[in-house]
Amino acid sequence: GQQVMQIPQYQHVQEGEDFTTYCNSSTTLSNIQWYKQRPGGHPVFLIQLVKSGEVKKQKRLTFQFGEAKKNSSLHITATQTTDVGTYFCAGRRNPYGQNFVFGPGTRLSVLP
Amino acid sequence: DTEVTQTPKHLVMGMTNKKSLKCEQHMGHRAMYWYKQKAKKPPELMFVYSYEKLSINESVPSRFSPECPNSSLLNLHLHALQPEDSALYLCASSRAGNGYTFGSGTRLTVV
Repeated sequence: GQQVMQIPQYQHVQEGEDFTTYCNSSTTLSNIQWYKQRPGGHPVFLIQLVKSGEVKKQKRLTFQFGEAKKNSSLHITATQTTDVGTYFCAGRRNPYGQNFVFGPGTRLSVLP
Repeated sequence: DTEVTQTPKHLVMGMTNKKSLKCEQHMGHRAMYWYKQKAKKPPELMFVYSYEKLSINESVPSRFSPECPNSSLLNLHLHALQPEDSALYLCASSRAGNGYTFGSGTRLTVV
């Protein structure tokens, strides 16, 4: 079945440092979504990527979708303590399907 | 209204109890979902409703029974649960092809 992996599992950074999490799929994806879940909270949708090689930015966050549509990355520039949480990617193989498979997540902690 | 509302926020139930989780959204989303999330794990899909019809059941045990009374409401009926069913149960909704809006979840403990 479709598998979505993420690395690293954990990342500890000093406030102001950059952070990147990588998402890899065993199969080609039609699109990929990214979510953030704060400790004790629920997942919050960040962005969806659809096109091969797509790059999108949201303030300090940069999202990329690989050319082969099998991998994606989330990069945070100059982390802040408000960035703390777990970042999940979720991929879908069938463009008309309703089943997004979540990766295991990368837990980010930011030391002030 | 851009929220998914789940009740109750916390639930403790015995293994012989019957309870229901409720989820409501008024964003006009026609797809609604139930997810189960264990601590430090990603959400796992349980059920998908599309236009009030069950479209995906991820081989969930029959002690979990979903219901979609109308386009705004989603219920999850629980009966004879096991302690290992203790988890955060998340409801979500979406427009076709868009990101999911999750509710804040029901934290369930089975004793």
